[in-house]
Amino acid sequence: AQSVSQHNHHVILSEAASLELGCNYSYGGTVNLFWYVQYPGQHLQLLLKYFSGDPLVKGIKGFEAEFIKSKFSFNLRKPSVQWSDTAEYFCAVGPGNTPLVFGKGTRLSVIA
Amino acid sequence: GAGVSQSPSNKVTEKGKDVELRCDPISGHTALYWYRQSLGQGLEFLIYFQGNSAPDKSGLPSDRFSAERTGGSVSTLTIQRTQQEDSAVYLCASSLGTAPYGYTFGSGTRLTVV
Repeated sequence: AQSVSQHNHHVILSEAASLELGCNYSYGGTVNLFWYVQYPGQHLQLLLKYFSGDPLVKGIKGFEAEFIKSKFSFNLRKPSVQWSDTAEYFCAVGPGNTPLVFGKGTRLSVIA
Repeated sequence: GAGVSQSPSNKVTEKGKDVELRCDPISGHTALYWYRQSLGQGLEFLIYFQGNSAPDKSGLPSDRFSAERTGGSVSTLTIQRTQQEDSAVYLCASSLGTAPYGYTFGSGTRLTVV
């Protein structure tokens, strides 16, 4: 069965610090990869996705993620975080026509 | 509507009672998913509908849980004889089809079993 690991449960950063959230998955075949974000009191929103092509994908609000096939990883990055990035971030993996498997999430707190 | 609509937004029920949760997906989205979100546990897949195909029920935790989707649109998740461990946020999502389409999530129903 597929699984998704998000290594950090809670990350606390100061504004303007750089962010990297780890995501590793276990699945040997072709996968589709997603990052979702849940701002406080809001529903889950798609941040970015990867299906094929350039392994470095750019999403909304300055986020990007890099797919490294050899490491089964899809880490999320942002060079300079803002207070408004405070949210919970979920990595998700799907091999195709089956429902996405989500990680347990990483809570990001950005302090001024 | 423009988004996925779920009702009720909050539900408090007594242990042993049955509850029904409703999801109205985006018009034209053929795929519909139910997930459960518990504190610190991420999203747990429950059930998936795709078009007219038989639903994938592999994530339902027990036979107390069931779901249906009428006319390829609205879906209802039913939990019978609720238990305290059923307390969670139940999320519905829809998509244009299977991957590579991303999901659009509703705001969820927060279920509290007392």
